[in-house]
Amino acid sequence: DTEVTQTPKHLVMGMTNKKSLKCEQHMGHRAMYWYKQKAKKPPELMFVYSYEKLSINESVPSRFSPECPNSSLLNLHLHALQPEDSALYLCASSQDPAALNEKLFFGSGTQLSVL
Amino acid sequence: QKEVEQNSGPLSVPEGAIASLNCTYSDRGSQSFFWYRQYSGKSPELIMSIYSNGDKEDGRFTAQLNKASQYVSLLIRDSQPSDSATYLCAVVPPRGNEKLTFGTGTRLTIIP
Repeated sequence: DTEVTQTPKHLVMGMTNKKSLKCEQHMGHRAMYWYKQKAKKPPELMFVYSYEKLSINESVPSRFSPECPNSSLLNLHLHALQPEDSALYLCASSQDPAALNEKLFFGSGTQLSVL
Repeated sequence: QKEVEQNSGPLSVPEGAIASLNCTYSDRGSQSFFWYRQYSGKSPELIMSIYSNGDKEDGRFTAQLNKASQYVSLLIRDSQPSDSATYLCAVVPPRGNEKLTFGTGTRLTIIP
């Protein structure tokens, strides 16, 4: 299994809603990432988990809350988002946290629209 | 100066020709270099990695790295319409700075 699976593929939410994005990989990778990508822009790093511990938080607003329940799962909890948070949210994984950012495998993403 | 720079394009290449994509980076101590392909509305897909100076070939793709000049390039031989996509250059900085840096991407269109 060489896939990173993200759900849902599309999400529309209001500014008062609470929702969660989910990501799963079964490649035995020990580093997992959340990226945000706006149209025609490169991915922007949000969070990195290494061995299930948060190792990087790129000064992301607290309305985004990551969670890593185990080595295969990564969640992103969303609350009180703003319309400017509308974007493609990408989960990625890589094999070795000691070589962070090496050979990322991306999921298909969640296209999020905040109304 | 941006950390990783790419010409945003669009770059138009006739089918069957060689497409040449270029990327420059500012941090001389950068360690690892990657090319990702991203189709419109899809996620990035790793197509090449290169770590040492010189050329690395994989099928129709060749990555070239010149650390002295701080550039990395991707050549696509016998370009196909299915190669039409945005190509993202990504650079791993020196140890101690864990942030992988993406360029803004070059949009490539192969003209049948």
